[in-house]
Amino acid sequence: DSGVTQTPKHLITATGQRVTLRCSPRSGDLSVYWYQQSLDQGLQFLIQYYNGEERAKGNILERFSAQQFPDLHSELNLSSLELGDSALYFCASSVDSSYNSPLHFGNGTRLTVT
Amino acid sequence: AQKVTQAQTEISVVEKEDVTLDCVYETRDTTYYLFWYKQPPSGELVFLIRRNSFDEQNEISGRYSWNFQKSTSSFNFTITASQVVDSAVYFCALSETQGGSEKLVFGKGTKLTVNP
Repeated sequence: DSGVTQTPKHLITATGQRVTLRCSPRSGDLSVYWYQQSLDQGLQFLIQYYNGEERAKGNILERFSAQQFPDLHSELNLSSLELGDSALYFCASSVDSSYNSPLHFGNGTRLTVT
Repeated sequence: AQKVTQAQTEISVVEKEDVTLDCVYETRDTTYYLFWYKQPPSGELVFLIRRNSFDEQNEISGRYSWNFQKSTSSFNFTITASQVVDSAVYFCALSETQGGSEKLVFGKGTKLTVNP
């Protein structure tokens, strides 16, 4: 058990809809990362937050947004969903903001857009 | 530019065989870190090892060993006497700092199947 909690585990929704994925980092970790894993693209970095502030952005679409709250949990909002957004979305946390620190991943949220 | 190449998409072995998963990376940085992560069928990603660019010592942890060679930009992972529970997708990853911005890039992964 990594200590990172992601909810929900599965999500099925229709195109055009909006969903929110939630992540609670490991106790003591200040950084939260969001990754998208799909068969064709592999693991793609979306965005990183450190202690409530956006730290780095990767290949995140404008339809996607995220935030980290004062209690350090994070939410990833996906809107105007398309079929291609179907993927496994991982949250990871680390103790600091450096990519040199190992990431501890949650079990992921599997999003299916129909 | 940075890139992590795991040329082996899938490997299948029989239990007790040794298997090596290859990882080749590209970076212009002199300071960087390399990682291996395991993704078992249950789906979660598990951190296995981190190695910094200044430490070329090989590492052994039980049946797992890692061979880091800067000369060939490789960070290979060997499982000795493989077991069915080793079946998973293994990802190699590279982190580096360029222009004040840090990035972590994953390879496409190697799916290892260990058959009884």
